[in-house]
Amino acid sequence: GNSVTQMEGPVTLSEEAFLTINCTYTATGYPSLFWYVQYPGEGLQLLLKATKADDKGSNKGFEATYRKETTSFHLEKGSVQVSDSAVYFCALISSGSARQLTFGSGTQLTVLP
Amino acid sequence: GAGVSQSPSNKVTEKGKDVELRCDPISGHTALYWYRQSLGQGLEFLIYFQGNSAPDKSGLPSDRFSAERTGGSVSTLTIQRTQQEDSAVYLCASSLEGRASFINEKLFFGSGTQLSVL
Repeated sequence: GNSVTQMEGPVTLSEEAFLTINCTYTATGYPSLFWYVQYPGEGLQLLLKATKADDKGSNKGFEATYRKETTSFHLEKGSVQVSDSAVYFCALISSGSARQLTFGSGTQLTVLP
Repeated sequence: GAGVSQSPSNKVTEKGKDVELRCDPISGHTALYWYRQSLGQGLEFLIYFQGNSAPDKSGLPSDRFSAERTGGSVSTLTIQRTQQEDSAVYLCASSLEGRASFINEKLFFGSGTQLSVL
């Protein structure tokens, strides 16, 4: 079956630090990959996506590249801000799955001023 | 409404009691999903409704869990004889259509119901 493994948190960084949150996956078929973000008190929202190998998703300064050879989709940002403090979820949906997204366990990020 | 609305936002109950969680999807959205977010674990799919089709119940963890969707709109997730391991955040999401919406960025989540079973 499908599974997503992401680095455990919590992660605490100073403002303007470089961020990497690792994500690897196991899936049937050819999955599409996603990063979702959950800000305090809000619902999950899509941050970025990539639908095929070597695609790079980007949004709000965050980037992630779909690496088929390493089955990874690591999230990066060059300079984090306090407002980036949230929980980040890696997720996938594959052609071999039913209609549901498969999520990782989430990584809590706290950015200190 | 403007977004997916869930109620209550917090629910504390005693072991063995039944609870009902409500989800109001975005008006016009035909697809509705329930997920469970347990501490330290990923989001776990529970059930999926699409229009008038039979729901996909493959994610429900036991027969204590059930869900219905009345009139193709509001959905209620019911947990009977709650157990402490049922404590989690229950998330609802809706979209205009089914699987393709994930890729087309049209999946919208509510802010969840925090369920605590004492």
